[in-house]
Amino acid sequence: DAGVIQSPRHEVTEMGQEVTLRCKPISGHNSLFWYRQTMMRGLELLIYFNNNVPIDDSGMPEDRFSAKMPNASFSTLKIQPSEPRDSAVYFCASIPTGGSWETQYFGPGTRLLVL
Amino acid sequence: GDSVTQMEGPVTLSEEAFLTINCTYTATGYPSLFWYVQYPGEGLQLLLKATKADDKGSNKGFEATYRKETTSFHLEKGSVQVSDSAVYFCALSDPEGRNNNDMRFGAGTRLTVKP
Repeated sequence: DAGVIQSPRHEVTEMGQEVTLRCKPISGHNSLFWYRQTMMRGLELLIYFNNNVPIDDSGMPEDRFSAKMPNASFSTLKIQPSEPRDSAVYFCASIPTGGSWETQYFGPGTRLLVL
Repeated sequence: GDSVTQMEGPVTLSEEAFLTINCTYTATGYPSLFWYVQYPGEGLQLLLKATKADDKGSNKGFEATYRKETTSFHLEKGSVQVSDSAVYFCALSDPEGRNNNDMRFGAGTRLTVKP
């Protein structure tokens, strides 16, 4: 199994630009999570989906952030417009049907730098 | 709300040294406690866990004991190796949390082991 796949692995953009991060969960996993990791705040849950439906987006920092999961094998996290304070590593994770949160399978992350 | 506080890093040790990374938690219920490890360029992986007071989780030579009286879950290893160099995250899962077992992560502690 290829594991959780994220793209791009690295992204450098200028303030004000739109950024789209992509995630492909492991086949057969029905829950998907987006996290943000920074030195100051550690690892924060942004949003999670169950069966493609957003369940809790209370961690999304503001309206500039949006996430979608159009089907079971693909999700996007979009930042528009981006700001320097959005610079972080963004992780996607998934868990299998019936699995518990502790057994999340994490992707390698996307390192975002907003100049 | 529930939270986890872990020892700030970075921590630098020589090979075969003893490791302790402190972690304390705050929770209203009876959480499960976890340590995750993040190797360079990879996502988080579950290292060990303990689900009730006085339980000891162990894996790959690492151990942590769930201490309810001190609300702690310190990670220890008797003899570290260069391959243990990674970022370590303490986390808790609260079954009474708003999302029924959502995970709360500490900020992470970077460990570097020198030969």
